[in-house]
Amino acid sequence: SSELTQDPAVSVALGQTVRITCQGDSLRSYYTNWYQQKPGQAPVLVMYGKNNRPAGIPDRFFGSSSGDTASLTITGAQAEDEADYYCGFRDSSDNHRKFGGGTKLTV
Amino acid sequence: QVQLVQSAGEVKKPGASVKVSCKTSGYIFSSYGISWVRQVPGQGLEWMGWISGYNGNTNYPQKFRGRVTLTTGTSTSYMELRGLRSDDTATYYCARDMGDRLDPWGQGTQVTVSS
Repeated sequence: SSELTQDPAVSVALGQTVRITCQGDSLRSYYTNWYQQKPGQAPVLVMYGKNNRPAGIPDRFFGSSSGDTASLTITGAQAEDEADYYCGFRDSSDNHRKFGGGTKLTV
Repeated sequence: QVQLVQSAGEVKKPGASVKVSCKTSGYIFSSYGISWVRQVPGQGLEWMGWISGYNGNTNYPQKFRGRVTLTTGTSTSYMELRGLRSDDTATYYCARDMGDRLDPWGQGTQVTVSS
């Protein structure tokens, strides 16, 4: 299955560490990307590949993967990290893109 | 810097069509594709299709095949959605498709379908 499952909501205290997960059989074969979306704004790429941060993304964001689960970890969460986070990847069998349902992070 | 600027929001009646534009700048258009993604209010991201900036090849998921047409112009991509229904009310985004990631995204275009 190419479906990706995310917890609908996660909360973290200011300055603490939080892990947002994305589960799916396809993640055994593909790295997922992570997109951050704040209310009323377009999604922004915050992590791609094995653990690559685009320019401008703070180093408190860390990506990892194990088995069928990918994780985005935020170390020392800040108020500005409060947002929806979506995992997503491109399935090379048909080149179709898939997204998880999103996780609402409350700080 | 790389920018994708989308056309303004639209209000359409059921059964009509809408065409959204996505004007790019800051990179060589033919080097990457453009993906289109929509977001129904309060819901997640849904991929609508991809078009090559090089040769115009397209790829659509089954859900949108036959109802969506992606085209390109000069450094611009267009998304046309036909046979609009109320459940097509959503924000439509374009994004530079780099193969392994979508980056950056346009600001979004709100399309409202209402009689």
